[in-house]
Amino acid sequence: EIVMTQSPATLSVSPGERATLSCRATQSVSSNLAWYQHKPGQAPRLLIYGASTRATGIPARFSGSGSGTEFTLTISSLQSEDFAVYYCQQYSDWPRTFGQGTKVDIK
Amino acid sequence: QITLKESGPTLVRPTQTLTLTCSISGFSLSTSGVGVGWIRQPPGKALEWLALIHWNDDKRYRPSLKSRLTITMDAFTNQVVLTMTNMDPVDTATYYCAHRLRDTSGWYHDAFHVWGQGTMVTVSS
Repeated sequence: EIVMTQSPATLSVSPGERATLSCRATQSVSSNLAWYQHKPGQAPRLLIYGASTRATGIPARFSGSGSGTEFTLTISSLQSEDFAVYYCQQYSDWPRTFGQGTKVDIK
Repeated sequence: QITLKESGPTLVRPTQTLTLTCSISGFSLSTSGVGVGWIRQPPGKALEWLALIHWNDDKRYRPSLKSRLTITMDAFTNQVVLTMTNMDPVDTATYYCAHRLRDTSGWYHDAFHVWGQGTMVTVSS
């Protein structure tokens, strides 16, 4: 199966700063990659699909890039509501797989 | 508006079989392209993709759990059911069902854009 590796495990960022999260696949997933935001007690929220397309209602400060095996999620200016765990997920091959997550917390 | 809601037992004994039901509304399980998946999250751990069923009854499973999982759907009752046999304490998790994304062009992606609230299942004797 394709293993998704996210880095860093934890990212400490001040409100208003930029956050850059990475996701790497053990083999090419083309652009079949999604990013989710997950807060405690809530369902995950789809942010990005197709590696770079924002899902409906997602603010423009969230952007995704990359293809093949290397992907990045950028949050341009962190808001208080953005502190959460972020997961990448590939849907290029079976089984679909998630990364282990990056926790974005307050610096 | 698409909604999904999981239901099932909160406590399961080791070796028992878990049956979870995902009740859906706002879409039809028989519509071409539709798919519903199950994902779980053990406490303090990452999301784990378990299974997916498509409108045409095509089923996909996590290989490491395939022998224990069965996913079915009933388009008349608008339900997707996941069964997991031989439950173990390591299967303690919040279990989610979710709807695969249909983008604005009408294409489906195996990214999940609508999720249920999740149901916590504890495996303990």
